[in-house]
Amino acid sequence: GAVVSQHPSRVICKSGTSVKIECRSLDFQATTMFWYRQFPKQSLMLMATSNEGSKATYEQGVEKDKFLINHASLTLSTLTVTSAHPEDSSFYICSASGIGGPRTTEAFFGQGTRLTVV
Amino acid sequence: QKEVEQDPGPLSVPEGAIVSLNCTYSNSAFQYFMWYRQYSRKGPELLMYTYSSGNKEDGRFTAQVDKSSKYISLFIRDSQPSDSATYLCAMSAMAGGSYIPTFGRGTSLIVHP
Repeated sequence: GAVVSQHPSRVICKSGTSVKIECRSLDFQATTMFWYRQFPKQSLMLMATSNEGSKATYEQGVEKDKFLINHASLTLSTLTVTSAHPEDSSFYICSASGIGGPRTTEAFFGQGTRLTVV
Repeated sequence: QKEVEQDPGPLSVPEGAIVSLNCTYSNSAFQYFMWYRQYSRKGPELLMYTYSSGNKEDGRFTAQVDKSSKYISLFIRDSQPSDSATYLCAMSAMAGGSYIPTFGRGTSLIVHP
């Protein structure tokens, strides 16, 4: 099946610093990538949808200036949490779909990144 | 009312039991229905995917969709301790040219030996 690789799997950063999370599609061209946030024992909350070469579409309540999303190529999307604060600590997960891979109806997920801001 | 409702559990069953996991939804536009399995601190992995109403079977897993009742189910036969995980239902409809899934909160399943 299609492989989506997310890096890093875990990161600890100091309050006020920025953290970049990468999401790569390894064997297909990801025309669409989704970024989710998940709190303990809660469901996935969609943060934004990005199409390659276009600006990301953010969900209501998600600060676009705080969560910068770049989808500059068909195999890579990045999420940068800027000026991170402890309340940004969460599990961040990307998923991807596109050409030669899963249709948008069955997006495949990365392994997730656990961010802890101290 | 949330678009997708799913009992968070936990659901605890003995090894070998038949497990039934369910979700209800309110948006009649949903066309695609998925079940994901998520182990602790990992990303979800797609288990089953069905379009519209009906049944789909894959090994020990059977997915059922009843659009008239807005109710979907995942059955796991001969459950194993390795099935212990959180199971998320998801469903999607066309929006802005894409299908963006809406997830349930997940049901925690514990299969004990």
